[in-house]
Amino acid sequence: QVQLQESGPGLVKPSQTLSLTCTVSGGSISSGSYYWSWIRQPAGKGLEWIGRIYTSGSTNYNPSLKSRVTISVDTSKNQFSLKLSSVTAADTAVYYCARESLRSERGGMDVWGQGTTVTVSS
Amino acid sequence: DIVMTQTPLSSPVTLGQPASISCRSSQSLVHSDGNTYLSWLQQRPGQPPRLLIYKISNRFSGVPDRFSGSGAGTDFTLKISRVEAEDVGVYYCMQATQFPWTFGQGTKVEIK
Repeated sequence: QVQLQESGPGLVKPSQTLSLTCTVSGGSISSGSYYWSWIRQPAGKGLEWIGRIYTSGSTNYNPSLKSRVTISVDTSKNQFSLKLSSVTAADTAVYYCARESLRSERGGMDVWGQGTTVTVSS
Repeated sequence: DIVMTQTPLSSPVTLGQPASISCRSSQSLVHSDGNTYLSWLQQRPGQPPRLLIYKISNRFSGVPDRFSGSGAGTDFTLKISRVEAEDVGVYYCMQATQFPWTFGQGTKVEIK
């Protein structure tokens, strides 16, 4: 079955760019039946949707982060990535990648990565 | 943004007893295509979220039938018919009808 795995630096300095990659295994990211999403969760807090990308490269972003976020896809590597610029301590969180179904389970995030903790600190 | 409000925020439950979580949205979640994209997620301690229910009432593959979802428009409910120890965790409702997708604050289910 499909599995997702986040990777990237666990520590980022303030004002720099956070970069994470999600590797998809057990299935093709080029399947037309899914969007590929990023969600974050500050410690002890709730979930925030960051944005998503389709295999074509079409994206949707949360307006609260839109000016700082870029999500891209590399179908040759079966990966998609998140870049968040000008980070501050408020961006410290566990970052999850997830798959959003366009099939019968539409609107449901049916596969999640284990999450990766990113701390913004000098 | 659509605000999702869950109640209660904490639910101590006796094993084998039912539990119910309410989720209310600030706007109707009925999409222009006629579907309502309201889902429920479970997050066990130290784990990523897991999809339980999609489109209000459809159990995702492998989810026990003690979990059920109901509701319409702006009011939705997740019920656990008989709570088991493995059900401990935080439950979130999520809407995927209108951008940006948003989540409820979470309801912590714990054993009394």
